[in-house]
Parts: sequence; C-alpha cells; structure tokens
Amino acid sequence: NAGVTQTPKFQVLKTGQSMTLQCAQDMNHEYMSWYRQDPGMGLRLIHYSVGAGITDQGEVPNGYNVSRSTTEDFPLRLLSAAPSQTSVYFCATRREGKGSPLHFGNGTRLTVT
Amino acid sequence: DQQVKQNSPSLSVQEGRISILNCDYTNSMFDYFLWYKKYPAEGPTFLISISSIKDKNEDGRFTVFLNKSAKHLSLHIVPSQPGDSAVYFCAAPGGGTYKYIFGTGTRLKVLA
Repeated sequence: NAGVTQTPKFQVLKTGQSMTLQCAQDMNHEYMSWYRQDPGMGLRLIHYSVGAGITDQGEVPNGYNVSRSTTEDFPLRLLSAAPSQTSVYFCATRREGKGSPLHFGNGTRLTVT
Repeated sequence: DQQVKQNSPSLSVQEGRISILNCDYTNSMFDYFLWYKKYPAEGPTFLISISSIKDKNEDGRFTVFLNKSAKHLSLHIVPSQPGDSAVYFCAAPGGGTYKYIFGTGTRLKVLA
C-alpha cells in the first residue's frame, strides 16, 4: 500500500521547457490536490479535483494545468516553466467527510534556471 | 490575506520540556483545524485535529487547544523529544470544504 506516490523526486528545467509532475494514489480517495511550498509562504493550493473529470483552481493556479481522467492519477503540467515556479510540489489526497485529513506524497523538488 | 497565521518561524525547547506552537486565524467560520508535522525531504503528515465545537483534543503527548473568542489555537507537546524536531503547520478548510489553508509553519528544534 504505497499511499501517494510522486515522481520525479527532483527535476531541473530551463526557462520555457515543459514537464509533467506525476501523482498516483492507491487509497481510492476522490479528492486530490497539488500544493507548492516556498520559504516563508507555507503550503499554497494550486489545483484540486473532487473526482475523475472534475478539476478546479486553487490559490495559485497560473502557469499550471491539471486533468483527472482516473481516480488514481492527477498529473500537474507546467507548459512553459519560469524561475518563479522553482519550488517543492506536493500532491495530497483525502477521503470524503468533514475533518478528514490530507495525505501527502513526499514531494517533487523543481528548479527552473 | 493570510487567514491562518503562525507568527513564530522557529522555536527551541529542551528535551523533556513542553513545546507550545501557536496559530491564529481570522475566519470565524472555520469549523475544524488540523496540525501537520513535516520532516526534511518528506511530505507533511497529519498529527491531530480539533473541531470548532470543542476546546481541547488530546492524543498521547500531543494536545491541541482552541480559543474561539481569541481565534487562536495551540499545539502542546509534552514531553518534547528530539524526534519531534520538525516543521509544524496548522491548517483549516477555507473557501469551501476542499480548500485547506495552511499557515507558514514553525520550525521546532528539541535539544537533547
């Protein structure tokens, strides 16, 4: 039972390149989300999904795309990377229910030069 | 507008003593709060939560207190252990059930 798996763990991109951060879960949670963590900023919500085929924007969605074709997977796409997207990215899932906690993956550290 | 605030970026405590981590919030509509712990190179892990209808929740060495009139919650760790050294985040569901808002975190260092 792996929980929430993120790949890759590390990535370096040049400005303007594109890439996809992968997130897979085996917890059968309907809700999945992406956060970024920056020094002094805490964790900020990028995009989230409440089920297959349904996505919505969080606090800082610009520059990122998501899709949810299956319950298990929720990839995050950077179409044209910018240095401001240098960050640590976390995928998180939770089950339905008030007060249910988020379960996080171990993160992807992205550097854009 | 930072709806969940952790004003102390860091805290150092001697092993065996109490650690108190604080969190303030601005939205009186939040109906529960959560604390997460994060080690370097790992994702945050859920620690403890509290519903807004309670003023205390305890789980082993960890207790969370909620003061609704002051819009303040605190996490107490007693006794503190070196393995508790981590960054602690408080969080609340804001803007709807699905949008959890996190504080900026407090780095706790427990000295042996």
